[in-house]
Amino acid sequence: QLQLQESGPRLVKPSQTLSLTCTVSGGSISSSSYYWGWIRQPPGKGLEWIASMSYSGTTYHNPSLKSRVTISVDTSKNHFSLKLSSVTAADTAVYYCATFYSNSYANFWGQGTLVTVSS
Amino acid sequence: DIQMTQSPSTLSASEGDRVTITCRASQSINSWLAWYQQAPGKAPKVLIYKASSLESGVPSRFSGSASGTEFTLTISSLQPDDFATYYCQQYYTYSLTFGQGTRVEMK
Repeated sequence: QLQLQESGPRLVKPSQTLSLTCTVSGGSISSSSYYWGWIRQPPGKGLEWIASMSYSGTTYHNPSLKSRVTISVDTSKNHFSLKLSSVTAADTAVYYCATFYSNSYANFWGQGTLVTVSS
Repeated sequence: DIQMTQSPSTLSASEGDRVTITCRASQSINSWLAWYQQAPGKAPKVLIYKASSLESGVPSRFSGSASGTEFTLTISSLQPDDFATYYCQQYYTYSLTFGQGTRVEMK
């Protein structure tokens, strides 16, 4: 059973870059069955997919965020990361990391981490 | 992007009730649809994939169906743990999109 855990700063200043890491346990990030991705949820609102990446480097982005998003996989550390640049208050959300079975549905989720954008 | 529209936004029901939530896609997505349940303060959990396939470990009171671009999640007999928010998600395209959610609250 895969387990995922997000980590990173909980408070980011406007215009700076939000950086999060998701550590995977109970399985290898080099699995060809999964895509590794990020989903966010602003307080009191719905879910928004951000981006997904396979271990081999195939990447898909939400078009509305693509210009600001970098997602990467580190097989040596069995973790993957998200960078979101030029953040504003609208980027305040709970950020979840998740595995997507062949970039389809998310079958394993981290517990989520609230990131607040504020000066 | 494919738009996913859920109805209703909020549903009031009692334990034991049969509950139906609808999700409509803005274009054909075949059966590439999943349903999630999100309890307050928790991460979502997948219930159904490929429109009607039950995820392992999910109680059989949950079921999904499809007709064209309209998809339905049914809970046959609402249990206390089922008061939560439900989301649909399409994966027909590489740009994944969710419905806005349906909150099931206690009547």
